[in-house]
Amino acid sequence: EAGVTQFPSHSVIEKGQTVTLRCDPISGHDNLYWYRRVMGKEIKFLLHFVKESKQDESGMPNNRFLAERTGGTYSTLKVQPAELEDSGVYFCASSQVRLLPGAETQYFGPGTRLLVL
Amino acid sequence: KQEVTQIPAALSVPEGENLVLNCSFTDSAIYNLQWFRQDPGKGLTSLLLIQSSQREQTSGRLNASLDKSSGRSTLYIAASQPGDSATYLCAVSLLIGSARQLTFGSGTQLTVLP
Repeated sequence: EAGVTQFPSHSVIEKGQTVTLRCDPISGHDNLYWYRRVMGKEIKFLLHFVKESKQDESGMPNNRFLAERTGGTYSTLKVQPAELEDSGVYFCASSQVRLLPGAETQYFGPGTRLLVL
Repeated sequence: KQEVTQIPAALSVPEGENLVLNCSFTDSAIYNLQWFRQDPGKGLTSLLLIQSSQREQTSGRLNASLDKSSGRSTLYIAASQPGDSATYLCAVSLLIGSARQLTFGSGTQLTVLP
């Protein structure tokens, strides 16, 4: 079974440009999460989808970030316009919905390393 | 606000030694706690998940314990090997609304010397 995949693995863009990151969750996982780690900091939660619905956007830093999950399958995270402080590693994770939420293991993708110059 | 702390930040041990990594969290109202490992330039690999009703979980040479009342978890690695060298991350899940976001610690960087 394929794990969580993310594309691209690396992206280098200039300040003011737009970048779109893609995440393909494990097949059958309705929960999809975006996290990021900026330099020297802990991994931080960005948002959570259940199928195509946003359940929690509390971690999104500002309105330059837009996440979508049309059809409840893959998800995209767009940063427009990108700023220097957006540099970091963006991780996607997915999990199955369980009757007991405490039993939900989140499986992470390899991450997209974004560098804004 | 949940805060997760991992001590030590870095640890170097000779091969074969048993070791303990520590994780503490400030809010005991958690759904679960997960331990991950991260190899340089790679993603996170889930090692163990402990539900809030459980005290410990074991997988091979790994044993994780959870003490919710004191806000602590430990990851015990038996008979360490050079292949265990990685960064180990602890993360807790809180219910906020209907979400299950993870709050991460900063990790312990483990080096096992051959």
